[in-house]
Amino acid sequence: EAGVVQSPRYKIIEKKQPVAFWCNPISGHNTLYWYRQNLGQGPELLIRYENEEAVDDSQLPKDRFSAERLKGVDSTLKIQPAELGDSAVYLCASSEYGTSGRDEQYFGPGTRLTVT
Amino acid sequence: GESVGLHLPTLSVQEGDNSIINCAYSNSASDYFIWYKQESGKGPQFIIDIRSNMDKRQGQRVTVLLNKTVKHLSLQIAATQPGDSAVYFCAENWGEYGNKLVFGAGTILRVKS
Repeated sequence: EAGVVQSPRYKIIEKKQPVAFWCNPISGHNTLYWYRQNLGQGPELLIRYENEEAVDDSQLPKDRFSAERLKGVDSTLKIQPAELGDSAVYLCASSEYGTSGRDEQYFGPGTRLTVT
Repeated sequence: GESVGLHLPTLSVQEGDNSIINCAYSNSASDYFIWYKQESGKGPQFIIDIRSNMDKRQGQRVTVLLNKTVKHLSLQIAATQPGDSAVYFCAENWGEYGNKLVFGAGTILRVKS
């Protein structure tokens, strides 16, 4: 079974430039999560989707971050414009049941973003 | 706000010895706890979980202990192997927010051969 796929794996951009990350969850998983992981820290949830609906985006900096999950499968996370402090690893995860149970979240390898 | 934390940022053990990684949590409403392993360049990988109505749960070479009285969680790895070298995170599930995981900062486990 294929795991969570993310691309690109690495991205280097200059500040004020836009950037987008893509995630393909495990087939059949209706819940998708985007996390940000700063160096030496644990992942922090940015947004959670149940199918197409963003059910928790309280941690998403909405002035510059946006996300979408059209058709309830793939998702993109965008930053525009990027700031130096956005340098981090952006992780995507998916799970099968979401809020209906404490099911396991499967993580992708992440996209390492460096803003210069 | 409430958060999960770890006592030891780095743990070095000899191959074959047992490892114990500790974690303190502060949200008394958390009902589910998970340990993740993260190797360099990879996403976190599920190791073992435990629900709040349990004190102990065993897996293959790993045991998780939960002490709700002092809000403490530990991960025990038996016969630690070089492949166990990684960063270990505990995470608590804030049940009141659905399936929302709150991660601690992580402990680096180094296994010496």
